[in-house]
Formats: sequence, C-alpha cells, structure tokens
Amino acid sequence: SAVISQKPSRDICQRGTSLTIQCQVDSQVTMMFWYRQQPGQSLTLIATANQGSEATYESGFVIDKFPISRPNLTFSTLTVSNMSPEDSSIYLCSVEGGAGAAETQYFGPGTRLLVL
Amino acid sequence: KQEVTQIPAALSVPEGENLVLNCSFTDSAIYNLQWFRQDPGKGLTSLLLIQSSQREQTSGRLNASLDKSSGRSTLYIAASQPGDSATYLCASKGGSARQLTFGSGTQLTVLP
Repeated sequence: SAVISQKPSRDICQRGTSLTIQCQVDSQVTMMFWYRQQPGQSLTLIATANQGSEATYESGFVIDKFPISRPNLTFSTLTVSNMSPEDSSIYLCSVEGGAGAAETQYFGPGTRLLVL
Repeated sequence: KQEVTQIPAALSVPEGENLVLNCSFTDSAIYNLQWFRQDPGKGLTSLLLIQSSQREQTSGRLNASLDKSSGRSTLYIAASQPGDSATYLCASKGGSARQLTFGSGTQLTVLP
C-alpha cells in the first residue's frame, strides 16, 4: 500500500492568485496522478507526472494553468494558476500501489479549494 | 474513449438490507476495475480491486464482480449498516497512460 499526504488540506483564495498543492508519498513511485473533483461531480484526471520528464496533460487541461513539478520519486506539486471561482474543487493526488499497471490506485486526502 | 456509468445515482435503504451497486463500462480492454468509497469532503478509500483476469473479489461484507464481456461490474454489500453511508465510485484502469476513468458514483444512505 501507499500512504499519501497533501498540503494544504484546504484553502480559500482570491480570484487571480495561485496556489501550490504538495503531495508526498511514503514510498518511491514512478507515476503520480493529479485529479480534480468539482462540486457534485466525479473525478477527472488533470495530468500524469513521471519523475524526470514533463507531465502529460489530459484534454482540457494545460500546463500554463496547472503547472506540475516532479522533482523526485516521492514528491510532486500541482499549481492552480490565476484562479477563478470555477477552479473551486477538491484536488487529489494519486499513485499506483505497485510496479504493475494492474495495481491498486491510492489517493491522498485531497485539497479542498474555494476561490472567491 | 472509455465511459463508465453507475446506476443508481442515489440509493436509500433500511439498515440490514443487502444491496447491489452497478457499474458499466464501454471498453473491455481494462487492466482492472476498482471500487472506492468517498465520505463527504474526503478523499477516496479503495475497497476492492478486480484484475482483468478475475471474476470477483471479496472483503468482509463486500463482494465485487466483474464481467468484461458485458462491460459490467457490481458491488454487493451484505447486511448494510448506517456506517456504510457514503458515495461509492467505480473506476476502470486502462490505456497507455494507465489512467483511471471514474463513474459518477452512487450516493448510498443506510437508514438506522
């Protein structure tokens, strides 16, 4: 299994500002995933972050808006830039529990963001 | 593109009832299918994972089945309890990026 922590757990931000969310895993993992869950919605994948390479973004998400860092095998950050109220969501970090694609996916507790 | 659907969107049952949550997916080329539980305002807790080669998995009062040919999975909860109240999400893993595709969830309320 993998234990994932995220900081901050929640924040209230003003329109136009940026917030960086940190994700720490208790073991080394190749791939880290960032998801967004808008109010009342299910989870949508933002991007996949591999250590040592550029993150891969899903359709509808761009690097200028959601820059991601992956400096080592246990840590990643997601920045929500130039925020608007539409960015109010829960942002979740996720990893695979093992080396194989068929392994369990684990999630952090999430960061609840409210943009005023 | 994979699409995952969950029915019903919401379910309310009296305590002690057995219940079934349904999940369907359009692309059978999956690595696995996972069931998660999400409590209000919280992250996701993994309940069961079924590998693509498996038919079912059990954990305590929970049993999940997988039928790839029909693109369906079910989560069976036996002897439901008020503490089971939560949103249950199914997600299939597939594709070159090994990403999860989530259903919209079933919000379960177990009444005492």
